[in-house]
Amino acid sequence: GNSVTQMEGPVTLSEEAFLTINCTYTATGYPSLFWYVQYPGEGLQLLLKATKADDKGSNKGFEATYRKETTSFHLEKGSVQVSDSAVYFCALSDYPGGKLIFGQGTELSVKP
Amino acid sequence: NAGVTQTPKFRVLKTGQSMTLLCAQDMNHEYMYWYRQDPGMGLRLIHYSVGEGTTAKGEVPDGYNVSRLKKQNFLLGLESAAPSQTSVYFCASSSPGNYGYTFGSGTRLTVV
Repeated sequence: GNSVTQMEGPVTLSEEAFLTINCTYTATGYPSLFWYVQYPGEGLQLLLKATKADDKGSNKGFEATYRKETTSFHLEKGSVQVSDSAVYFCALSDYPGGKLIFGQGTELSVKP
Repeated sequence: NAGVTQTPKFRVLKTGQSMTLLCAQDMNHEYMYWYRQDPGMGLRLIHYSVGEGTTAKGEVPDGYNVSRLKKQNFLLGLESAAPSQTSVYFCASSSPGNYGYTFGSGTRLTVV
């Protein structure tokens, strides 16, 4: 079945450091890929998405590129802020609107 | 513009008690989902529904039942709660052909 694997956390960075959170997936066909963010005590918010190979999703300085050849969707940000401290989830769906399959989440802590 | 509303937000149950979690959406979405979130395990799909009167099992359905008698509501029932069901439960909704998913704010359930 379909699955998503993320790098384990927690990840601790200093403010303005470069962030990469790795995400790889297993799926048949051409899934859509997502990054969701969960701030402390809150629900999930969509951060960005990519719906086909080579698409780049971007939002709030975060980027991720849908790489079909490596089945990856790594999340990057050039300069993190304390306010980026949260749990980040990579997810996929088989078709638009279909059920989301999530990775295990990666906790990011950014120190001043 | 409520989106997805979950009730209750918090609940403590004793082992063996039963309860129902309610999810209501006002976006006319066809699809609805129940997930549970546990540390280090991401969000795992419990049950889902692709339309009024239909339900299907997800990844971790044991110990739960669901009903979708009205399009806007998706109920999650625990007939005999167990400590292993201590978790945060999230409801989500979506439409076929659309990449937007809306999540509720979660229900924190503790079974003692």
